Amino acid sequence: NAGVTQTPKFRVLKTGQSMTLLCAQDMNHEYMYWYRQDPGMGLRLIHYSVGEGTTAKGEVPDGYNVSRLKKQNFLLGLESAAPSQTSVYFCASSLPGVDTGELFFGEGSRLTVL
Amino acid sequence: GQNIDQPTEMTATEGAIVQINCTYQTSGFNGLFWYQQHAGEAPTFLSYNVLDGLEEKGRFSSFLSRSKGYSYLLLKELQMKDSASYLCAAMDSNYQLIWGAGTKLIIKP
Repeated sequence: NAGVTQTPKFRVLKTGQSMTLLCAQDMNHEYMYWYRQDPGMGLRLIHYSVGEGTTAKGEVPDGYNVSRLKKQNFLLGLESAAPSQTSVYFCASSLPGVDTGELFFGEGSRLTVL
Repeated sequence: GQNIDQPTEMTATEGAIVQINCTYQTSGFNGLFWYQQHAGEAPTFLSYNVLDGLEEKGRFSSFLSRSKGYSYLLLKELQMKDSASYLCAAMDSNYQLIWGAGTKLIIKP
């Protein structure tokens, strides 16, 4: 009953460093998403994937890259971290169609860029 | 443009009823979703409306008026554990969710 698991839960980076956030889901969902959440703002979609081997840009994709090599995993990479990328990152998964509205979220990854 | 509006913060008393409003503008419409998010935790799905009217789920109900671009979440018999942020999201014609900034609900004894 793991659902959606994100690693790491917390990370502190220096400006210019790179890192990868890993998301794993065990519900056999086709769709996966990476969001960021900042105070006073709604969830903003970074990238998403509608199936293994496919990715697409969301609302705020700049500075991030993603890969979906396996159906159960969705990786979010920061190549050169910037202080503006300090945020809470949520991974989510869903079924396709209108069921994409019922998202199952991971616990979040809190990233601080100094 | 696409937009969701909901109040930033609301305060209510334990045992009372509170209504959280949400107005939306989207390119096409495939439903309105409400999520609950406790501080420091992930959002969890509460409800989905695609047709006009009221959907009831225990102490929580959600209403939709498509002609007015309006929804509300009604919480009855408030409990301290209902203190959380409530996120409204509308699904557009491309099945993309447009999120509001959330309403922080504070419950006082």
